[in-house]
Amino acid sequence: GQNIDQPTEMTATEGAIVQINCTYQTSGFNGLFWYQQHAGEAPTFLSYNVLDGLEEKGRFSSFLSRSKGYSYLLLKELQMKDSASYLCAVMDSNYQLIWGAGTKLIIKP
Amino acid sequence: IAGITQAPTSQILAAGRRMTLRCTQDMRHNAMYWYRQDLGLGLRLIHYSNTAGTTGKGEVPDGYSVSRANTDDFPLTLASAVPSQTSVYFCASSDSNNSPLHFGNGTRLTVT
Repeated sequence: GQNIDQPTEMTATEGAIVQINCTYQTSGFNGLFWYQQHAGEAPTFLSYNVLDGLEEKGRFSSFLSRSKGYSYLLLKELQMKDSASYLCAVMDSNYQLIWGAGTKLIIKP
Repeated sequence: IAGITQAPTSQILAAGRRMTLRCTQDMRHNAMYWYRQDLGLGLRLIHYSNTAGTTGKGEVPDGYSVSRANTDDFPLTLASAVPSQTSVYFCASSDSNNSPLHFGNGTRLTVT
């Protein structure tokens, strides 16, 4: 079956760096997405990786290793507003998105 | 403001009643999707439409139906609601297969 694994919850300190991991097993691969979802709100797009390597976008970076079925989202200079759930999703060979259950990130002052 | 509008924002519904969740987008996106989100689970696809006039079943289609009469609208109907359909429902759209999804603000549905 197809599966996306990410930690359920993580805690980090304001101003620090946190890495949220995502491992996947899917039927084929057509890209990996990261979304941010604040409590009670809709998911919003953060990043897309289809080739191996690091994509940097301001304080957020996303890394992909297709051979290892692994990605991570790196958040630098954490701010209180970064408290949210982070969703990993992989597009399989049929262009269907497979979603992880999300990682709830708690930022402490 | 361009985007996706869902209605209602929330609803309490008696079991056995029929309910239509509305979704409208003004971005002229071809593909539209309905997801449900439950605590501890990833987003689960209910139905999708790759273009106006076509629809397809997702991972959890039972008890739900959709239609796509035009590009903008993609309503989701629960013919006879059951308590297990209590969930948050998100409508989403995308321009193409590899494009990011744009989500509506969701409908929180409680079936009693």
